[in-house]
Amino acid sequence: GQQLNQSPQSMFIQEGEDVSMNCTSSSIFNTWLWYKQDPGEGPVLLIALYKAGELTSNGRLTAQFGITRKDSFLNISASIPSDVGIYFCAGFNAGNNRKLIWGLGTSLAVNP
Amino acid sequence: GAVVSQHPSRVICKSGTSVKIECRSLDFQATTMFWYRQFPKQSLMLMATSNEGSKATYEQGVEKDKFLINHASLTLSTLTVTSAHPEDSSFYICSVLRGGGRNEQFFGPGTRLTVL
Repeated sequence: GQQLNQSPQSMFIQEGEDVSMNCTSSSIFNTWLWYKQDPGEGPVLLIALYKAGELTSNGRLTAQFGITRKDSFLNISASIPSDVGIYFCAGFNAGNNRKLIWGLGTSLAVNP
Repeated sequence: GAVVSQHPSRVICKSGTSVKIECRSLDFQATTMFWYRQFPKQSLMLMATSNEGSKATYEQGVEKDKFLINHASLTLSTLTVTSAHPEDSSFYICSVLRGGGRNEQFFGPGTRLTVL
């Protein structure tokens, strides 16, 4: 099935650094969702985006819905150790608003 | 967000037995719930869409007779893995759809199934 291209696949950073990750699609999306998953847990919704160009923040997290509707990015500012986890992008494309399409995840490690 | 619970959180069973996993939407009525499975270091794979009061819709390659889904109420969906085998060992996660123009899915904490 269709999957999103999410990059980078993994990141190892120092505490306090900023982080950026992105997702691209070959088709137009009408919703972008960013999730964080801790080991042994279900994904937790961080940010939801619904309009092209929309920029939304949630604390130190900021995500944007690309103008072309084929991409989105997530930024984390001033990373802390509890930011460690796997971040997934997901979205609904314009043709199917029930089936989430997923990225393969970005694994984030933060060195205190 | 929505609060979703799953029970049990982990289960170990013998090969050939059946295992039932419950998914509950605790703070709103969910017409639609989803069942996913996730293998280590991989993304979530949609197994089926559970619709309250009607038959579930299964994704290609998912055996409906092996993974029985019952969505008998607006707050409860169950997934039964029948005649489980070691290859069914996985992390099973449910989600609920909050529609109303905001297509957000909220996930349960997952169930770790180990089949011996």
